[in-house]
Amino acid sequence: DGGITQSPKYLFRKEGQNVTLSCEQNLNHDAMYWYRQDPGQGLRLIYYSQIVNDFQKGDIAEGYSVSREKKESFPLTVTSAQKNPTAFYLCASRDLSGVQPQHFGDGTRLSIL
Amino acid sequence: RKEVEQDPGPFNVPEGATVAFNCTYSNSASQSFFWYRQDCRKEPKLLMSVYSSGNEDGRFTAQLNRASQYISLLIRDSKLSDSATYLCVVSLNTGGFKTIFGAGTRLFVKA
Repeated sequence: DGGITQSPKYLFRKEGQNVTLSCEQNLNHDAMYWYRQDPGQGLRLIYYSQIVNDFQKGDIAEGYSVSREKKESFPLTVTSAQKNPTAFYLCASRDLSGVQPQHFGDGTRLSIL
Repeated sequence: RKEVEQDPGPFNVPEGATVAFNCTYSNSASQSFFWYRQDCRKEPKLLMSVYSSGNEDGRFTAQLNRASQYISLLIRDSKLSDSATYLCVVSLNTGGFKTIFGAGTRLFVKA
């Protein structure tokens, strides 16, 4: 089955530690996105990528980094510079031809230890 | 002003009721419109796309008014399983294909 796989489902970060969230898709989508969702809030865009080896900052990129070395993969690193990382992180992808919606992975919950 | 605005609710309705959600967007260059459903602690899932002519999928009807920059979702004969948060989503098919999510409207359907 085609889809988006995020791992891990739950992640705990110690102070000063960098952690990486995985996102893999087998939908052959060009564009991939990372969002952050805080309790009771909407989605906020962290980074997005439309093509391999290229990505753009979203609205809240500070304290995060990404890479797009392969079309299928768009990992997100939450660095120690992100002082409030506890949130629900969602990865999405989209076909850029025509009018296409985004499809989401089932998310990673990150908490501070 | 937010780029996509929704009434946060919550909407509390009895089973069988008809409920309508409204959404306004500010960017006239917006080209694609969607409604998503998000259950508690889960990822958003596409409910339906929204077309200018209006479209229906079973108990759900979506409408778009480009002149007023307004989108609506109507749910008829509400079921307990319709309880969720409904997200209005707008995409610009240019300049990075930016997608903007509304904060969502919470719906509780009660027996």
